[in-house]
Amino acid sequence: NAGVTQTPKFQVLKTGQSMTLQCAQDMNHEYMSWYRQDPGMGLRLIHYSVGAGITDQGEVPNGYNVSRSTTEDFPLRLLSAAPSQTSVYFCASSRTGAGENQPQHFGDGTRLSIL
Amino acid sequence: AQKITQTQPGMFVQEKEAVTLDCTYDTSDPSYGLFWYKQPSSGEMIFLIYQGSYDQQNATEGRYSLNFQKARKSANLVISASQLGDSAMYFCAMRETVQGAQKLVFGQGTRLTINP
Repeated sequence: NAGVTQTPKFQVLKTGQSMTLQCAQDMNHEYMSWYRQDPGMGLRLIHYSVGAGITDQGEVPNGYNVSRSTTEDFPLRLLSAAPSQTSVYFCASSRTGAGENQPQHFGDGTRLSIL
Repeated sequence: AQKITQTQPGMFVQEKEAVTLDCTYDTSDPSYGLFWYKQPSSGEMIFLIYQGSYDQQNATEGRYSLNFQKARKSANLVISASQLGDSAMYFCAMRETVQGAQKLVFGQGTRLTINP
């Protein structure tokens, strides 16, 4: 089972460049989300989506855009990369939000460095 | 204000001992859920155990159990008979409802090291 697939696994960008982190899930989950993980900060929610065509901001949305044109895919776009966006990015999905006893299934992460 | 607090940045335990990882939370939502995840050095996030706010009994999953004390707003993870493979970061997370949408809020994590 593929579960949640993130690409790429590693990426180095220069300040000001743009790029898209890809996330796809094959579990027909309604809810998808993006987190960033920084040392000593745990995981912080960037954006989330409760279904195709519906997205909303999380805790740290600035500098990132998302879209949800299909149930399966939830790409994260960095508009103009900044060194402060150096982090590990996780995509996650679950059934019906993070509700009840449905855990979020995480991808393996993308390690992003901005020079 | 921190919604999820994990007060132990790091813990060192001898193999085969039991270990308790602390987690306290803050919410005014009467319906919430608490999750524990394990993150080994390879980086993936592994779901361990869940406790719902209305669950009458503490959750258990194999060697993992959750010591849920609702009045104290604590949801500590207990690992019995620890193994070397338990060495990892452990995150407590709470499901909360914000403007009708449900989100997960994570604590800062506890790094557990099991010594042989």
